[in-house]
Amino acid sequence: NAGVTQTPKFRVLKTGQSMTLLCAQDMNHEYMYWYRQDPGMGLRLIHYSVGEGTTAKGEVPDGYNVSRLKKQNFLLGLESAAPSQTSVYFCASSHLRDRYHNEQFFGPGTRLTVL
Amino acid sequence: AQKITQTQPGMFVQEKEAVTLDCTYDTSDPSYGLFWYKQPSSGEMIFLIYQGSYDQQNATEGRYSLNFQKARKSANLVISASQLGDSAMYFCAMRGLRDDKIIFGKGTRLHILP
Repeated sequence: NAGVTQTPKFRVLKTGQSMTLLCAQDMNHEYMYWYRQDPGMGLRLIHYSVGEGTTAKGEVPDGYNVSRLKKQNFLLGLESAAPSQTSVYFCASSHLRDRYHNEQFFGPGTRLTVL
Repeated sequence: AQKITQTQPGMFVQEKEAVTLDCTYDTSDPSYGLFWYKQPSSGEMIFLIYQGSYDQQNATEGRYSLNFQKARKSANLVISASQLGDSAMYFCAMRGLRDDKIIFGKGTRLHILP
C-alpha cells in the first residue's frame, strides 16, 4: 500500500497563476483533509471531506477550493495564487474507529512557493 | 470554537530523562478526542497516541502516555526515558462532537541532548 501520496512534491508559482494539488489514498478512508503548515503556526485546516462528493470549510479556507469526486482522491485548487499562500501543504486521510478516534495518516507534503 | 494551546515553543531535555509536553484545549463539546503527533526533521507526520474524553483511563502507548485532566482541560504528553530520536516537533490535536474537523496546536519543538 502506498498510503497517502501527494502530487507534486515541490512547485513554484507566480502571483496570479493557478494550480491543483492532488492527494490520493489507497486505504479506503472516508475522511480526507488539507492542511497548511507555516513556521510558528502549526497545522491549519483548509478544507476537509467526510465522504465522496462532500466538502466542508476548515479554519483558513479563503483562496482555496476543493473537490472530492472519487473517494480515493481529494484535490486542492488555488485559482489565483498569492505570496501569502507560500507554505507546506499536507493532505491526510482517516477512518472513524469509534466516536472520535480517527487518527490521521499524512502524505509527505507539498512545498509551494508563490513569487 | 475549538482551540488547542501549546505554550512551550521549544524544550531541551537530557537523554534518558522523562519529558512532559503541555497541551490545553478549549471546547464546549461534551465529548471529544485528543491526539498527539510527532514531526521529525524529515517532515512526515506520525500519529503517537489518542485519548477519548469519555475514556476511564489515561492512554498509554509504549514510552508515550497521556496525562489527561478533564477538569483542567489539559492533555499533556509524557515521554519516558527520552532518546535522541525523540527530537522532533510535537503537535496536540482535537476532534469535537459537532463536526469532523481535527484542529492542531502550534507545536512544541523538543531537543534531546546527549
